[in-house]
Amino acid sequence: QVQLKETGPDLVQLTQTLSITCTVSGFSLTTYNVHWVRQPPGKGLEWMGAMWNGGGTDYNSAFKSRLSISRDTSKSQVFLKMNSLQTDDTAKYFCARDNNYYFDYWGQGVMVTVSS
Amino acid sequence: DTVLTQSPALAVSPGERVTISCRASESVSTLMHWYQQKPGQQPTLLIYLASNLESGVPARFSGSGSGTDFTLTIDPVEADDTATYYCQQSWNDPWTFGGGTKLELK
Repeated sequence: QVQLKETGPDLVQLTQTLSITCTVSGFSLTTYNVHWVRQPPGKGLEWMGAMWNGGGTDYNSAFKSRLSISRDTSKSQVFLKMNSLQTDDTAKYFCARDNNYYFDYWGQGVMVTVSS
Repeated sequence: DTVLTQSPALAVSPGERVTISCRASESVSTLMHWYQQKPGQQPTLLIYLASNLESGVPARFSGSGSGTDFTLTIDPVEADDTATYYCQQSWNDPWTFGGGTKLELK
């Protein structure tokens, strides 16, 4: 069955770099796109960016040049890296599968706190 | 960016019909989708492409709309429907979500 699972740190220091891995199963990264979405505590959802099945990427300009998404198809993993973290980057980070423009499967998310 | 506007909260009684609206700041054609999120959980897909019911989702849920005005309807509402509902568009870049509508049962 289709599954996505995020792994990453619980705590990141201010101005440091966040790295999260999304490991997928039940589908191929060369067939489906995978996106990153985040949710600050008590707030709504924010689209961050995508890894397209062809290997390209797309980013929300709100993250300017801080965000990088990559993948390792042999390991069925998609990676998020974001630098210069601030306290308002404290959020739960989700990866989600894109099935023709909508998210049909989501990971459980990883809660990341940025600490000063 | 395309702004999606939702009412912040609604309160209804079990058995009633509820409509949750989502208004887009510009046309999104029919690339509008609806998700349900319960506290501490990931969102789950309810409706895709404005009006298509996701497999396994009860037929009490339905969606309609095109362009800038969209509606999610739950009829009848059940106690388990207590959750926050988000709309999301994928017509314009960047993809955006509405602020969410928190549904409470009386």
